[in-house]
Amino acid sequence: NAGVTQTPKFQVLKTGQSMTLQCAQDMNHEYMSWYRQDPGMGLRLIHYSVGAGITDQGEVPNGYNVSRSTTEDFPLRLLSAAPSQTSVYFCASSSGQGANTGELFFGEGSRLTVL
Amino acid sequence: GNSVTQMEGPVTLSEEAFLTINCTYTATGYPSLFWYVQYPGEGLQLLLKATKADDKGSNKGFEATYRKETTSFHLEKGSVQVSDSAVYFCALRGSSNTGKLIFGQGTTLQVKP
Repeated sequence: NAGVTQTPKFQVLKTGQSMTLQCAQDMNHEYMSWYRQDPGMGLRLIHYSVGAGITDQGEVPNGYNVSRSTTEDFPLRLLSAAPSQTSVYFCASSSGQGANTGELFFGEGSRLTVL
Repeated sequence: GNSVTQMEGPVTLSEEAFLTINCTYTATGYPSLFWYVQYPGEGLQLLLKATKADDKGSNKGFEATYRKETTSFHLEKGSVQVSDSAVYFCALRGSSNTGKLIFGQGTTLQVKP
């Protein structure tokens, strides 16, 4: 069972570079989201999507773009990386019912370092 | 706005000790409350949940009771094991925010043999 798959697991960027964090789920979940995890700050919601073609901003969306062209995929794009975006990124998904009950399924995370 | 506050860690316990990790929240309406656990090198997993006041969530020997009067959802376990070493996150879902969870800062638990 693949569940939620994130790639890459590790990435080092230079300031100003762009990259895309990939997220794919094989559970036919409608709801997908991206969080970042920083020491002492828990997880903060970046962007989320309630279905293909629908996205919305979370708590900390600046510097990130998302799109949802299929149910399975929800990539997170950094257009011009900054050191403040050094973090561990988690993708999470849920069925509609699960979203209503808060039961999210998480990927293993992507550790990004911006120099 | 909605928020979650957890006790600061790390928490270090000996095996078979009693565990309490405090969690308090601020929210309007009737939120749902959760505890998630993150084992080293892994993503978060749902540990337990409670969706209304006075509900008790339980799983793997862990328990937490939704206390609306004190706006708390403290995590407890009677006898911890080394395998419980992980980071524990308290989270809430607001009554109107489908799928959007707000997390506390996380509490690291280390259990020594």
